[in-house]
Amino acid sequence: DQQVKQNSPSLSVQEGRISILNCDYTNSMFDYFLWYKKYPAEGPTFLISISSIKDKNEDGRFTVFLNKSAKHLSLHIVPSQPGDSAVYFCAASPSTQLTFGSGTQLTVLP
Amino acid sequence: KAGVTQTPRYLIKTRGQQVTLSCSPISGHRSVSWYQQTPGQGLQFLFEYFSETQRNKGNFPGRFSGRQFSNSRSEMNVSTLELGDSALYLCASSQQSSSYNSPLHFGNGTRLTVT
Repeated sequence: DQQVKQNSPSLSVQEGRISILNCDYTNSMFDYFLWYKKYPAEGPTFLISISSIKDKNEDGRFTVFLNKSAKHLSLHIVPSQPGDSAVYFCAASPSTQLTFGSGTQLTVLP
Repeated sequence: KAGVTQTPRYLIKTRGQQVTLSCSPISGHRSVSWYQQTPGQGLQFLFEYFSETQRNKGNFPGRFSGRQFSNSRSEMNVSTLELGDSALYLCASSQQSSSYNSPLHFGNGTRLTVT
């Protein structure tokens, strides 16, 4: 059973607009959530994280929102840039044993 | 600071053989984790080592094993290779055994192909 789900395998947005990537989880024991970005032939790169005691965390163009009651988190990228085109994974954890979603391919069109 | 280094980058093996993959973590990082990435299953946790001790293990058969040395470098071994073991194997390191304020940093992986 998938404990972390990214239901959109792909997303296309125009440069300068907002990108919203979504993630749902089922395990109530998860209390720390992370987003990673992955380019082909490279390992995932850490982007931003959020603890379950918060509902929002911002870092530059990236903001992660957590809705614990809905077991849902989202990553907002504003403004989107062509270099943001990559696969984005959400991950959940109570430790360094991360459970990953299946990823969303984001394409930012110039 | 140098990142997580994995060697080799690519490997081709035959069914039934065994393989050893190597990972050098970021200097100062004591936790090393291994993940398998396949198109069908995504990124799945294999195991984690901290200070030479296996702390967590994922749901993989005993053919998959690992170890960590006193300098935090880690190796992963897969014995009696099967076609389904073809995957990208990713190593990640962190300063602590918890991801709180210490996210995993991944290497670029070893692409294993089993024929």
